[in-house]
Amino acid sequence: AQRVTQPEKLLSVFKGAPVELKCNYSYSGSPELFWYVQYSRQRLQLLLRHISRESIKGFTADLNKGETSFHLKKPFAQEEDSAMYYCALSGLGTYKYIFGTGTRLKVLA
Amino acid sequence: EAGVAQSPRYKIIEKRQSVAFWCNPISGHATLYWYQQILGQGPKLLIQFQNNGVVDDSQLPKDRFSAERLKGVDSTLKIQPAKLEDSAVYLCASSFKAGDSTGELFFGEGSRLTVL
Repeated sequence: AQRVTQPEKLLSVFKGAPVELKCNYSYSGSPELFWYVQYSRQRLQLLLRHISRESIKGFTADLNKGETSFHLKKPFAQEEDSAMYYCALSGLGTYKYIFGTGTRLKVLA
Repeated sequence: EAGVAQSPRYKIIEKRQSVAFWCNPISGHATLYWYQQILGQGPKLLIQFQNNGVVDDSQLPKDRFSAERLKGVDSTLKIQPAKLEDSAVYLCASSFKAGDSTGELFFGEGSRLTVL
């Protein structure tokens, strides 16, 4: 079965602390993994995708096929990082996306 | 470039009434998605269109939900009759302009439905 699991509903960290948002997936084929973010009063938007292997707003995520994980990391959290983060999966070439339940990140001053 | 437009933003109805949501995707985007997001959950795919054809509607409750995308541009999602459990935000997303292989979904602001 195709599934995306985000075990934490809420993650609170202090400004300047490292952040790791967990994402595990279950997929039988070749997956593409994404992180989407929703800031307060804004629409859901793409943060990064594993294929690009890029750092966006200081965030990185590495696809670990052995552990079927795609955790989102940032070494030093900023207050503006406070938002709802969703991990998403798509089968390569299928254009069908499955979302996790989301993790709310709160960065405290 | 204008984003994905949705209307209405908010709708309150009583159970057993009907409601329709409209979505205008980004110009040139061939693929259009309707997602249902219940409070505290992630977006759940209801239906996916490629141009004006349905690619996947396996999770659409067809006894009460219907969707169409005439002419491969705008789309309408209808619920008739509504149930209490249909209270959710209905998100429209579009993607895949010709030549674009990034896989990025562009979302609208959503239509929040409350069924009383």
